Amino acid sequence: EAGVAQSPRYKIIEKRQSVAFWCNPISGHATLYWYQQILGQGPKLLIQFQNNGVVDDSQLPKDRFSAERLKGVDSTLKIQPAKLEDSAVYLCASSRLPGVNTEAFFGQGTRLTVV
Amino acid sequence: AQSVSQHNHHVILSEAASLELGCNYSYGGTVNLFWYVQYPGQHLQLLLKYFSGDPLVKGIKGFEAEFIKSKFSFNLRKPSVQWSDTAEYFCALRRAQAGTALIFGKGTTLSVSS
Repeated sequence: EAGVAQSPRYKIIEKRQSVAFWCNPISGHATLYWYQQILGQGPKLLIQFQNNGVVDDSQLPKDRFSAERLKGVDSTLKIQPAKLEDSAVYLCASSRLPGVNTEAFFGQGTRLTVV
Repeated sequence: AQSVSQHNHHVILSEAASLELGCNYSYGGTVNLFWYVQYPGQHLQLLLKYFSGDPLVKGIKGFEAEFIKSKFSFNLRKPSVQWSDTAEYFCALRRAQAGTALIFGKGTTLSVSS
């Protein structure tokens, strides 16, 4: 079974530029998550999708971050404009239809450096 | 709001030493609990999980964890660590209801010397 695919693996941009990350979840997984992991901290949820609908985006900085999952499969996370404090690893994860006993599978992440 | 606390930021052990990593959570309701591991250069992988039933759960690679509800704890243990256990370990919880996401602790870096 293929895992969660993310691209690119690494990205360096200057502040105020824009950047986009892509995620393809495990086939058949209806739930998709984007997490931000700042160095020295645990992953923090940015947004959760159920199929192509947003379940939770309460911690997404909506003035600069946006995400979509148009066809309920792959997803794109965008930052515009980027700030220095956005430097982090952006993790995508997926899980099956929501239920009590489900686990999330993670991709390798995209390491973003804003200079 | 729910939260997860991991007591140790960095643990250094010699091979064959025993390991216990602390994890406490804050949430008054029913929870699912997880330990994830991230080896250098790799993605987060599930070590073990607790949903219900026996509070002592066994995971991969000889790891186990015990859920103590009265202490809001889910500590990770391994009787004898190996050099290959060098990694970052994350404790996470999820409210036991459909559709909620994982909440992670800050992680513990484990360094095992041979």
